[in-house]
Amino acid sequence: GDSVTQMEGPVTLSEEAFLTINCTYTATGYPSLFWYVQYPGEGLQLLLKATKADDKGSNKGFEATYRKETTSFHLEKGSVQVSDSAVYFCALTSWGAGSYQLTFGKGTKLSVIP
Amino acid sequence: GAGVSQSPRYKVAKRGQDVALRCDPISGHVSLFWYQQALGQGPEFLTYFQNEAQLDKSGLPSDRFFAERPEGSVSTLKIQRTQQEDSAVYLCASSPHDSNNEQFFGPGTRLTVL
Repeated sequence: GDSVTQMEGPVTLSEEAFLTINCTYTATGYPSLFWYVQYPGEGLQLLLKATKADDKGSNKGFEATYRKETTSFHLEKGSVQVSDSAVYFCALTSWGAGSYQLTFGKGTKLSVIP
Repeated sequence: GAGVSQSPRYKVAKRGQDVALRCDPISGHVSLFWYQQALGQGPEFLTYFQNEAQLDKSGLPSDRFFAERPEGSVSTLKIQRTQQEDSAVYLCASSPHDSNNEQFFGPGTRLTVL
């Protein structure tokens, strides 16, 4: 079945450092790809998405490019802030037994220190 | 506007008890999903409703798990004869149209089975 593998955390960075969180996927067909973020005490929020190969999703300074040739969707940010501390989940939509369900990676916890 | 709400936020049950978890989706959203998130893992799909119809229940782990959405709005996930391995956060998500759209997540219900 479809699956998502993302780098394990936790990741600790200093403020203004460059962030990369790796994500690769295995899927049949042409899935849409997502990054969700979970801030402490809050629900999952969509951060960005890409629906076809070579699309770049971007939001709040974060970017990720849908790379079909390497089956990857790595998350990047040029300069992280303390407020970016959260758990980040890479995900894809795949057709199951009657719905486009989300398949998630295990999550990567990011801590940004001043 | 109001987002997805879930209640209770926390539930402690003794092994063998039945529990009921409630989800209030965003008003007017057609699609509703339930996910289970074990500690340190990403969410895993349980079941999907389109209005009141349960179109996909392929992720329900056993026949002890039952979900309903009788009027196409509020949904209830029921777990009968709870076991320790049922301890997890149960997430509800809704989407405005069919299932291949952005999903909006609630804060989750953390279930602990003693």
